Amino acid sequence: AQKVTQAQTEISVVEKEDVTLDCVYETRDTTYYLFWYKQPPSGELVFLIRRNSFDEQNEISGRYSWNFQKSTSSFNFTITASQVVDSAVYFCALSRAGANNLFFGTGTRLTVIP
Amino acid sequence: DGGITQSPKYLFRKEGQNVTLSCEQNLNHDAMYWYRQDPGQGLRLIYYSQIVNDFQKGDIAEGYSVSREKKESFPLTVTSAQKNPTAFYLCASSARDSRSETQYFGPGTRLLVL
Repeated sequence: AQKVTQAQTEISVVEKEDVTLDCVYETRDTTYYLFWYKQPPSGELVFLIRRNSFDEQNEISGRYSWNFQKSTSSFNFTITASQVVDSAVYFCALSRAGANNLFFGTGTRLTVIP
Repeated sequence: DGGITQSPKYLFRKEGQNVTLSCEQNLNHDAMYWYRQDPGQGLRLIYYSQIVNDFQKGDIAEGYSVSREKKESFPLTVTSAQKNPTAFYLCASSARDSRSETQYFGPGTRLLVL
């Protein structure tokens, strides 16, 4: 069975602070894909990153970075120097290779206080 | 601009009424999906379609129906059999029917029961 756990329901930080959103997943598959999406107040899910299980390299994109560790089944997301525009709900998701279904965590609501 | 459009943004349903949510994409994507999002929860898959005239049930298909007569369109009907339809509905599409491709989402439709 596939499962994604985002234990942090809500996080508040002051602008310019760094913040890490945790994601822990469960799967018995050796090939799988991990995703992060951002859901701003407008409701649309915005794709941020996709990672396959064979690529454990960390990735940085501007103020965003992702730390993928298979040993701990985690795919954490860090925002550096947070901004008010980062306020949103962030979802981590998992898909099996060759499958259509995305398994979502319950999301972490991030509030950046000016 | 390429993208996914959903209409209406808000939809009100009376008891015993069927309602249809529209989803259109001009990304030339083969696969399309419908998800349901309840407050404080992640998304759950209702139906998906990999090609025209073919679709498959997701995890929570009961009380819903879909059609895929055109590549660009994947409407979702919420039938009177769906006893708890109040939710946020998101449509998504992905590039190929090879699966595990990144899914891109529309802006969503919020369905409320009168």
